[in-house]
Amino acid sequence: SQELEQSPQSLIVQEGKNLTINCTSSKTLYGLYWYKQKYGEGLIFLMMLQKGGEEKSHEKITAKLDEKKQQSSLHITASQPSHAGIYLCGADSPGNFNKFYFGSGTKLNVKP
Amino acid sequence: DAGVIQSPRHEVTEMGQEVTLRCKPISGHNSLFWYRQTMMRGLELLIYFNNNVPIDDSGMPEDRFSAKMPNASFSTLKIQPSEPRDSAVYFCASVVGNQPQHFGDGTRLSIL
Repeated sequence: SQELEQSPQSLIVQEGKNLTINCTSSKTLYGLYWYKQKYGEGLIFLMMLQKGGEEKSHEKITAKLDEKKQQSSLHITASQPSHAGIYLCGADSPGNFNKFYFGSGTKLNVKP
Repeated sequence: DAGVIQSPRHEVTEMGQEVTLRCKPISGHNSLFWYRQTMMRGLELLIYFNNNVPIDDSGMPEDRFSAKMPNASFSTLKIQPSEPRDSAVYFCASVVGNQPQHFGDGTRLSIL
């Protein structure tokens, strides 16, 4: 089965600082998804990456998928308190009809 | 656009009682997923359906848990009898094709 390992497990940064969250897969990724979850709420889709070397940005959040398609990083520039929450990476499992796996999540707190 | 709708938002009940969680997926989505989230285990996939048919229920903890999808617009997750260790947030998500999953706001379940 696919396993996704996220690091760090938790992160506290000062407002305005940059930060990076990593997601490493035990197998080649065919689709990598980043979600954000605010405490007590559902998951909000951020970005999807499918091609090796692909990079996508939305506002101050950039996600990359490495060439070998086994690792993704999520980078936040000039963090704000609104970025606080849990970031989860998720992946499809090819050949296993839509089965989906999530990493354990990274808890981010941004101190004003 | 209505998103994935889950009910109830909160449920508190005594152990031994039957609990039924409900989910209405986004219209047109043909796959539906039930997840459970706890601090200890993170986000776990319990079961998923494709075109109303259960595809993989290997994540269902035990026989006390059952899920149905009688039609394309409704699914239930039932726990009978409930136990305190079932306390968690239960999420429903739906998707069509290769698109990202859309999550409901979750049901926060407390078994006393």
